Amino acid sequence: GENVEQHPSTLSVQEGDSAVIKCTYSDSASNYFPWYKQELGKGPQLIIDIRSNVGEKKDQRIAVTLNKTAKHFSLHITETQPEDSAVYFCAASIGTGNQFYFGTGTSLTVIP
Amino acid sequence: GAGVSQSPSNKVTEKGKDVELRCDPISGHTALYWYRQSLGQGLEFLIYFQGNSAPDKSGLPSDRFSAERTGGSVSTLTIQRTQQEDSAVYLCASSVQGKQETQYFGPGTRLLVL
Repeated sequence: GENVEQHPSTLSVQEGDSAVIKCTYSDSASNYFPWYKQELGKGPQLIIDIRSNVGEKKDQRIAVTLNKTAKHFSLHITETQPEDSAVYFCAASIGTGNQFYFGTGTSLTVIP
Repeated sequence: GAGVSQSPSNKVTEKGKDVELRCDPISGHTALYWYRQSLGQGLEFLIYFQGNSAPDKSGLPSDRFSAERTGGSVSTLTIQRTQQEDSAVYLCASSVQGKQETQYFGPGTRLLVL
């Protein structure tokens, strides 16, 4: 089955700096890659997603890039703010299946 | 409108007891997922319901785990003869039609097996 690896597991940045989280996947059939943000005591919330027919997608301060050849995708957060502090999960999905395969999460701390 | 709700929010039980966890999906969502989140780990897929189709149970870790979805709405995840390794946060999510659509997660049930 699909295997998703996520790095780093923890990340601290100064407010205003950029943060980058990287994920790799193993199954070339995966074609949908969502990113979730999980705040303490809450369930994950979708923040951005990308499908395999595009290489980059941007939404304000958040962007995701996808390299299908290398089988990796990344989340970029620019101009970080303290409220960006949370755990971020990447995931991969194969269109023919029901499952989403999640990375192990990155705990992001934005230092004011 | 209301999001996905789960109950109880916290559950402490003794090893060997059975527990039931409840999920109320967003009204009108036909797809419902259960996940397990262990400390420091990602989300582990457990089971998927889509409309009236047979559920995808491929993620259930053992026959002690089962789930039902009554009337295409509320779902119950049951863990029989709980073990300490079952301690985790159990998350439920729903989406409009499943597959690669946005999943909306509930806040989870934190299960502690003593």
